[in-house]
Amino acid sequence: NAGVTQTPKFQVLKTGQSMTLQCAQDMNHEYMSWYRQDPGMGLRLIHYSVGAGITDQGEVPNGYNVSRSTTEDFPLRLLSAAPSQTSVYFCASTSGASGGLLSSYEQYFGPGTRLTVT
Amino acid sequence: LAKTTQPISMDSYEGQEVNITCSHNNIATNDYITWYQQFPSQGPRFIIQGYKTKVTNEVASLFIPADRKSSTLSLPRVSLSDTAVYYCLVGYNNNDMRFGAGTRLTVKP
Repeated sequence: NAGVTQTPKFQVLKTGQSMTLQCAQDMNHEYMSWYRQDPGMGLRLIHYSVGAGITDQGEVPNGYNVSRSTTEDFPLRLLSAAPSQTSVYFCASTSGASGGLLSSYEQYFGPGTRLTVT
Repeated sequence: LAKTTQPISMDSYEGQEVNITCSHNNIATNDYITWYQQFPSQGPRFIIQGYKTKVTNEVASLFIPADRKSSTLSLPRVSLSDTAVYYCLVGYNNNDMRFGAGTRLTVKP
């Protein structure tokens, strides 16, 4: 199993450009989530999904869109990139079998995408 | 206000026991406390999780007092390969969850 994969590994955007960060998992996990990691701030939840067709906002959702059409994939879209979105982005998945809080489960993280917006 | 607080950094020597404490005053009644380890240029990796009292696995122990307002990750006999950033994750009411800012542990020979 590849686990959680993310593409690209690195990306540089100009302000106002759009792009999609890809995330895929092959563990048949129901829950998937996106985080951003900034120095001194830990990881902050952007959006999450508890199953195909269901998404919800996390702590810092502004400027990002998500959709979940399949169990395996959970892309993150930046519609108009801003310098404040310069960060490292992590995708994670977990089984969520009991339907409880996302934080109650062991999450499996991808290797991350380092995004720079100039 | 949901806030997960942990020390910014800690130093230790090989073979010592390391204890990292996380504060989480308003933890949700039904949520767990989870710790992750992160090496440079990698995603975080699950270490241990607990709800109350003490949990132990092959790499760490987690101590949680009765009031659950804090928790302590204990790493026995650390080695150089334990040098990493350690994160505490806690859930709060209204499905809010917060990672701490991370504790950078440096193990010296």
